[in-house]
Amino acid sequence: GAGVSQSPSNKVTEKGKDVELRCDPISGHTALYWYRQRLGQGLEFLIYFQGNSAPDKSGLPSDRFSAERTGESVSTLTIQRTQQEDSAVYLCASSLGHRRTSRYNEQFFGPGTRLTVL
Amino acid sequence: AQKITQTQPGMFVQEKEAVTLDCTYDTSDPSYGLFWYKQPSSGEMIFLIYQGSYDQQNATEGRYSLNFQKARKSANLVISASQLGDSAMYFCAMRESPYNNNDMRFGAGTRLTVKP
Repeated sequence: GAGVSQSPSNKVTEKGKDVELRCDPISGHTALYWYRQRLGQGLEFLIYFQGNSAPDKSGLPSDRFSAERTGESVSTLTIQRTQQEDSAVYLCASSLGHRRTSRYNEQFFGPGTRLTVL
Repeated sequence: AQKITQTQPGMFVQEKEAVTLDCTYDTSDPSYGLFWYKQPSSGEMIFLIYQGSYDQQNATEGRYSLNFQKARKSANLVISASQLGDSAMYFCAMRESPYNNNDMRFGAGTRLTVKP
C-alpha cells in the first residue's frame, strides 16, 4: 500500500451528527491537503498541513470543520453538527513537501470519502 | 477572484484525434507551477503533467503536452491520439510561491468524452 488511503470510503449520517474522516498519506510525505468536491464540481481547498501544523486554514467553510494531524502522518477531518450541504466527496492528498514550485509539489490523491448527510 | 479558469465544461473528440483543453490562470507571482489532473468516473485523481513558470520548454508526458503561453497566462493541455480511456474530467491547477500560499488551486474542470 504505497498510495494515500482514506477511510471510510462511504459515510452516511444524519443531519446534526458529527463525522470524522481519516487520511493516511504516503510515508515520508510532509505535506497533506484536504479538499471537498461537490457532485459535478471542481475541487475546493479546505486545509493544508506542513508537518503537524496547518499554516493555511482559510478554506475551512465554517467553524464546524476542523482538522488535525499527528506524528506527521495520519490526519483527521472532523465535521460537527453535519448539514445536508456538507454532502460531498472529501479528498485527501499528500506531497513530498514544500519546494519552490518544483515537480516535487505534485500531489498524490487518495480515493476520497463520499459523505452523505440525510 | 478566480485563479484558474477552464471555460469548456464539456468537450467531445473522435477517437485517435487530438484535443486541446483550455486553461487560463491569474497570478502576480513570478514563480508558480501548473498541473493537470485527470479524474475518471472512479473518482481518483491522476497526475498528468507539470509546467514550471521558469521552464523554457513546454512540458510533455507521452501523449500529453502542455501548450504554455506565459504572456497570455494560458496552460492548455493537448492530448494526442485520443483513446476511449481518456474520457474523464480534467482539472487544471496552480501552485503559487510556496512561502506565501501553499495550497493548490483547481479549475472547475472539463469533461472530455471520446467517441468511438
